[in-house]
Amino acid sequence: DAGVIQSPRHEVTEMGQEVTLRCKPISGHNSLFWYRQTMMRGLELLIYFNNNVPIDDSGMPEDRFSAKMPNASFSTLKIQPSEPRDSAVYFCASSPQVTNEKLFFGSGTQLSVL
Amino acid sequence: GENVEQHPSTLSVQEGDSAVIKCTYSDSASNYFPWYKQELGKRPQLIIDIRSNVGEKKDQRIAVTLNKTAKHFSLHITETQPEDSAVYFCAAGRAGTALIFGKGTTLSVSS
Repeated sequence: DAGVIQSPRHEVTEMGQEVTLRCKPISGHNSLFWYRQTMMRGLELLIYFNNNVPIDDSGMPEDRFSAKMPNASFSTLKIQPSEPRDSAVYFCASSPQVTNEKLFFGSGTQLSVL
Repeated sequence: GENVEQHPSTLSVQEGDSAVIKCTYSDSASNYFPWYKQELGKRPQLIIDIRSNVGEKKDQRIAVTLNKTAKHFSLHITETQPEDSAVYFCAAGRAGTALIFGKGTTLSVSS
């Protein structure tokens, strides 16, 4: 298995532009998580899905952020419009159980908003 | 919701010394406590975890201890090596919730 696959690895965009981050979880995993990592705040939970259903989106900063999981093998995190303070590394992770245990992280997307 | 505090934020040790990283959590219902290691530019990876029905768990040079009453848990690394240099994250959670992570500890092991 190739593990959790995220794309793109790097994204540089200008303020106000729409950004879409993509994630393919490990096949058979039931849970998918989006985390944001910054030096100041560490790893922050944005949203997580169980069997494709959003369970907890309380970490989504504001209405500019949205996430979807249309099927068991794909999820997107969209920022519209993007702002410089959104610059961070965004990680997707999946878990083989309907819990939060044994998370497998993707390589992350380094987002820079100019 | 859950809140996890992690200390210290940075830790420097000499090769062969021990390193200890401590975390506290706020939600008494949390029952799962993993530790992740993140090397520079890489993804976080699970190195050890413990459940609330266990007080201590060891895996070679690393061990984790849990004090449920005080709501704190610790990572112990013995005989540190340069390849142990990384950022270490603790986390806490329970069934039906996502893991909440501490802010991380940057461990530097000098030879």
